Amino acid sequence: GQQLNQSPQSMFIQEGEDVSMNCTSSSIFNTWLWYKQDPGEGPVLLIALYKAGELTSNGRLTAQFGITRKDSFLNISASIPSDVGIYFCAGGNNAGNMLTFGGGTRLMVKP
Amino acid sequence: DSGVTQTPKHLITATGQRVTLRCSPRSGDLSVYWYQQSLDQGLQFLIQYYNGEERAKGNILERFSAQQFPDLHSELNLSSLELGDSALYFCASSETGGGRQPQHFGDGTRLSIL
Repeated sequence: GQQLNQSPQSMFIQEGEDVSMNCTSSSIFNTWLWYKQDPGEGPVLLIALYKAGELTSNGRLTAQFGITRKDSFLNISASIPSDVGIYFCAGGNNAGNMLTFGGGTRLMVKP
Repeated sequence: DSGVTQTPKHLITATGQRVTLRCSPRSGDLSVYWYQQSLDQGLQFLIQYYNGEERAKGNILERFSAQQFPDLHSELNLSSLELGDSALYFCASSETGGGRQPQHFGDGTRLSIL
């Protein structure tokens, strides 16, 4: 089946630093989404991408849909302590049925 | 708050038992998705319903079943429970289930099998 490789698995950074994480796939996806999950809660949508090459920002977050449709990255600028959590990428197909999730990037921010 | 409501938040039961997890989608959303999150498998798609009809199926076990009711709430039924079924079960919803509509997740039900 389809698999998404998300890296890095974890990051421990200093407050104020920029963060970059990415997802790659052996298969093409028609949508890419980025979610953040805090302990005891469900994934919260951060950014949705629907077109190859698309670059979208949401505050300090920027994500891109790779031109090959097999990858995506998420950047967080000037990290703050509340950015701590697990970030997931997810790829979707045209029918919008299932999302295939990456394994997650655990972000830890040192004040 | 995503607007997706899941109950109960926690469920503890024994092997061989049957449980029902409930999900109310966001107001106006017709499509409901169920996912399982476990430590070894990550987030895995189970099944999707749209306006009461099953639309897509993932790696859902035969012991598991779901349905969506006329008021659009959905239930996931898990039977003959095994230790390996211990996981977080998430429900998500979207407007029509089309590819350009993001899925919004509830806070999940944590199922523990003793």
